[in-house]
Amino acid sequence: DVKVTQSSRYLVKRTGEKVFLECVQDMDHENMFWYRQDPGLGLRLIYFSYDVKMKEKGDIPEGYSVSREKKERFSLILESASTNQTSMYLCASSFARDLPRGGYTFGSGTRLTVV
Amino acid sequence: QQQVKQSPQSLIVQKGGISIINCAYENTAFDYFPWYQQFPGKGPALLIAIRPDVSEKKEGRFTISFNKSAKQFSLHIMDSQPGDSATYFCAASKAGRRALTFGSGTRLQVQP
Repeated sequence: DVKVTQSSRYLVKRTGEKVFLECVQDMDHENMFWYRQDPGLGLRLIYFSYDVKMKEKGDIPEGYSVSREKKERFSLILESASTNQTSMYLCASSFARDLPRGGYTFGSGTRLTVV
Repeated sequence: QQQVKQSPQSLIVQKGGISIINCAYENTAFDYFPWYQQFPGKGPALLIAIRPDVSEKKEGRFTISFNKSAKQFSLHIMDSQPGDSATYFCAASKAGRRALTFGSGTRLQVQP
């Protein structure tokens, strides 16, 4: 079964810390995405990557950066965590050609709390 | 500013009833409209999708109705079951952009 694995299910970090969220997919997908999920706001796109070392800003990139050194791994970095970054973070991946048909495969999410 | 507006925020339906979730969009460049289903503790999963060249798509108990002129689309769940209780997200994407834009989500509860 295809998988998108997020390294942590729950994380608690302190304000100002540098935080790394890791995502690995085993489907040889070209596209990888980071979304955050907040009640009443749905899923909002932070960053996505369509190839190794390639990235594009989503709708809410401020305070975040990403890294994609290998095709299967996409990391989200919170440069200096703040309490307003407390959220559920979802990683997803897809084939470049399949967005019109197959959609995304999501991981189970990382619930980050910044205190 | 949300590009895809979803309503209602929450919905309670009796077992066997019809659940209806609505979405509206402004950007006429959108050309793919999927619905995702999310159970607690899990990531969303693709449920059903439609392109704007058809007005309706049905898969089992799930139907998407699409009104291109009104820029609206909706999900109908027929004979709703307690196992359908989940959060549902509509989404949209446009050619040339690989990322989906999601609605705000609807929490559906089907009572036995």
